[in-house]
Amino acid sequence: DAGITQSPRYKITETGRQVTLMCHQTWSHSYMFWYRQDLGHGLRLIYYSAAADITDKGEVPDGYVVSRSKTENFPLTLESATRSQTSVYFCASSERTNQPQHFGDGTRLSIL
Amino acid sequence: EDKVVQSPLSLVVHEGDTVTLNCSYEVTNFRSLLWYKQEKKAPTFLFMLTSSGIEKKSGRLSSILDKKELFSILNITATQTGDSAIYLCAVRHAGGTSYGKLTFGQGTILTVHP
Repeated sequence: DAGITQSPRYKITETGRQVTLMCHQTWSHSYMFWYRQDLGHGLRLIYYSAAADITDKGEVPDGYVVSRSKTENFPLTLESATRSQTSVYFCASSERTNQPQHFGDGTRLSIL
Repeated sequence: EDKVVQSPLSLVVHEGDTVTLNCSYEVTNFRSLLWYKQEKKAPTFLFMLTSSGIEKKSGRLSSILDKKELFSILNITATQTGDSAIYLCAVRHAGGTSYGKLTFGQGTILTVHP
């Protein structure tokens, strides 16, 4: 029962670099979500997806790109990392829009 | 602008105490309200509330929603050190291309001392 897995768990990179965070789920859930968690802000939605090739912007999409070529994968790319993108990133999925979202264990990203 | 506000932001209690966590919201197209518990890693689902006045209960935890006054409470009775965590409230949006997206509050950090 793998569920939803994120990789890497920890990442340190430099400003200006491109970095991709991976998210993989084994449930065949249609809906997938990316959040960032920062002190004082809770979880904020970056991007979400209703199915393969259907994605939409959330509350804080600037500086991020997503793709969803396969149902089970939903990678998040920072095209040119900035220090303000230092955060903990969570991926989540749900089977239907009225079902709870289930979260991965997160990726802690530090940008120097 | 959609808003979900939790209070208090942090709380320190002793084992055996009862705590009440609050969540108020102002969102367009409300569908449901969810509570999650977050320890060291992933938030884990506790409750989903859709209707006003119907209490959801799981062991020592319970929650209720008031859609008229736009708030929910999460109660924990006879707290234990294992209840120490961040408790997150989230509101699910309805309709159109929302796809059930969630707006989260800031979270309440609960610390239970032995």
